[in-house]
Amino acid sequence: KQEVTQIPAALSVPEGENLVLNCSFTDSAIYNLQWFRQDPGKGLTSLLLIQSSQREQTSGRLNASLDKSSGRSTLYIAASQPGDSATYLCAVRKGDHPQGGSEKLVFGKGTKLTVNP
Amino acid sequence: AAGVIQSPRHLIKEKRETATLKCYPIPRHDTVYWYQQGPGQDPQFLISFYEKMQSDKGSIPDRFSAQQFSDYHSELNMSSLELGDSALYFCASSSIPGNTEAFFGQGTRLTVV
Repeated sequence: KQEVTQIPAALSVPEGENLVLNCSFTDSAIYNLQWFRQDPGKGLTSLLLIQSSQREQTSGRLNASLDKSSGRSTLYIAASQPGDSATYLCAVRKGDHPQGGSEKLVFGKGTKLTVNP
Repeated sequence: AAGVIQSPRHLIKEKRETATLKCYPIPRHDTVYWYQQGPGQDPQFLISFYEKMQSDKGSIPDRFSAQQFSDYHSELNMSSLELGDSALYFCASSSIPGNTEAFFGQGTRLTVV
C-alpha cells in the first residue's frame, strides 16, 4: 500500500527566504507526482506535475524535483512571500487503472507554510 | 479556462437525511474522482469513474453511492447522514490519454447537524 509522508508538518519563515518542502513515498513504482496548494477551507490548486520519467519541473518561483528510485520529491519555493502561506500537499499516482482511467492520487498530510511579513 | 465545477458549495443537513453532491468535470476529461477531507486531514479517496463506469473504489461507506452520467457529470449520493460525514467533498477530473494531471473543484462543504 502506497504511503506518502510530508516533512515538516508545519513551517514558519520570514518573507524572502528560500525554502524546501519534502515528500517521500514508499512504493517507487509511480506514474507521476503532483504538488498542490490548499488555502484554508478551499479547493486544491495544482502547482506542478512531474512524470515518472522527469527529474524536475519549474513554474515561476516554484521548482519540484523527483527522485523516483529513492521515493522522494522536494518542492523548492524561492523568495517566499506572505501570499505563499497555505498548506502544500504532495500526491502520487501509480498509473493507469486496470479497469480504465488513471489510478487515484494518494496524498500526504501536507505541510502548513506560514510566511511572515 | 474551464475548471471543475461542484455544487452546491455549502450544504447543511440533519442526521439521517440524504444529500446529493454534483460535479461537472473539465470538458473532454473522461475520469472523475471523489475525495473526502475531514478537518485537518488529507483528502481520502472515495470512488472514481472512467467513461461512465466505476473504475476504482476506496473508503466509501455503503450509505454512499455515485454515478457518472452520459454528459460525464457525476453525482455523489449520501444517505442516512451521520455527524461524522461532515467534511469537504472534492471532485477531480483528468484525461486519458494525456498527462493525467488532476484538477480539483472548489469542493462542497457538508455540515451534518
